Amino acid sequence: GQSLEQPSEVTAVEGAIVQINCTYQTSGFYGLSWYQQHDGGAPTFLSYNALDGLEETGRFSSFLSRSDSYGYLLLQELQMKDSASYFCAVPTSGTYKYIFGTGTRLKVLA
Amino acid sequence: DVKVTQSSRYLVKRTGEKVFLECVQDMDHENMFWYRQDPGLGLRLIYFSYDVKMKEKGDIPEGYSVSREKKERFSLILESASTNQTSMYLCASSPGREQFFGPGTRLTVL
Repeated sequence: GQSLEQPSEVTAVEGAIVQINCTYQTSGFYGLSWYQQHDGGAPTFLSYNALDGLEETGRFSSFLSRSDSYGYLLLQELQMKDSASYFCAVPTSGTYKYIFGTGTRLKVLA
Repeated sequence: DVKVTQSSRYLVKRTGEKVFLECVQDMDHENMFWYRQDPGLGLRLIYFSYDVKMKEKGDIPEGYSVSREKKERFSLILESASTNQTSMYLCASSPGREQFFGPGTRLTVL
């Protein structure tokens, strides 16, 4: 079967750096996406990695290692507004049908 | 800006009722999705559609059906609502890699 594993919760202080990991098991690999969801809000797309390495977008970066079936989302200079749930997701069988992880709840403390 | 709208933010129905959840997108996307989101389980795909009148089952289609008569509209139907269908329902549309989510409908079945 196909599955994604992420920690259920991560806590960090304002201004710090935090890494949210995602390991996946898929039949075939077509890319890893990350979404952010604030309480009561809709998930919003953050990033997509198809190739190994680090992709940077402002304070957020996403990393992929296809050989390790592993990726992570790196959040720098944490702000209170970064408190949210973060989901990794992978497409299945080269389609646009995605499987989502169960999500990591990030708490940023003052 | 892509806009995905859902017919209701909150809905309360009784067991056995037929329930319609409507989703409309304004960006001419081919792909549309219905997910349910439950605490600790992340987003689980119910059905998706890659074209008008085309649909595919997701991971948890039992008890649900869908309709896509027009490109911009994707409806989720609960033929006979049950209490275990109490959940947050999220609709999304996508041109490919990135999914755009609606605000969600919190459905309670009594």
